[in-house]
Amino acid sequence: KAGVTQTPRYLIKTRGQQVTLSCSPISGHRSVSWYQQTPGQGLQFLFEYFSETQRNKGNFPGRFSGRQFSNSRSEMNVSTLELGDSALYLCASSPGPSVNTEAFFGQGTRLTVV
Amino acid sequence: ELKVEQNPLFLSMQEGKNYTIYCNYSTTSDRLYWYRQDPGKSLESLFVLLSNGAVKQEGRLMASLDTKARLSTLHITAAVHDLSATYFCAVGYYGGATNKLIFGTGTLLAVQP
Repeated sequence: KAGVTQTPRYLIKTRGQQVTLSCSPISGHRSVSWYQQTPGQGLQFLFEYFSETQRNKGNFPGRFSGRQFSNSRSEMNVSTLELGDSALYLCASSPGPSVNTEAFFGQGTRLTVV
Repeated sequence: ELKVEQNPLFLSMQEGKNYTIYCNYSTTSDRLYWYRQDPGKSLESLFVLLSNGAVKQEGRLMASLDTKARLSTLHITAAVHDLSATYFCAVGYYGGATNKLIFGTGTLLAVQP
């Protein structure tokens, strides 16, 4: 059974650019959550999508957005990148809402903004 | 909002010794998860604790949950070097408009030979 796949694994972008990250969940899982991990702030919840709808959202600016497709794959977009957006972005896949069911994490995308 | 605190933040221990990592949280929740993260890697699910008094064991690790005390513990028995990693607890938060997992700060465990 394939795990959670995130692409790309590494990205280097310049301030002001935008970036799109992709996450393919485990087959049959309908929920995808996104997290930002930094040394200073730890793991912070960005948002969660379930059946193509954003169900929950963390405390991040509107530059961070996402969507989910009918096959449950999800994308996260960050516009007007700032240096502080440099982080490991993790997505988690779960059968139902992540707060109620076990979540499985992908390998992450390491974003560096220069 | 729910706050999750882990202690210690850093733990250096010798092989063969026992120790406990603590996870305290500030508001009611009956769902708690433990994860392990190796350097540069993703999070690996270790335990899912869903009720007061739940206890689960896997190898040298044992996790428990006391919802009344809002406390979970991860006990390490006879540590080995392979257990060196960062351990996170995560608590289910039901905030009305937003339901999410809130992670603790993590405990970096270094097991010395």
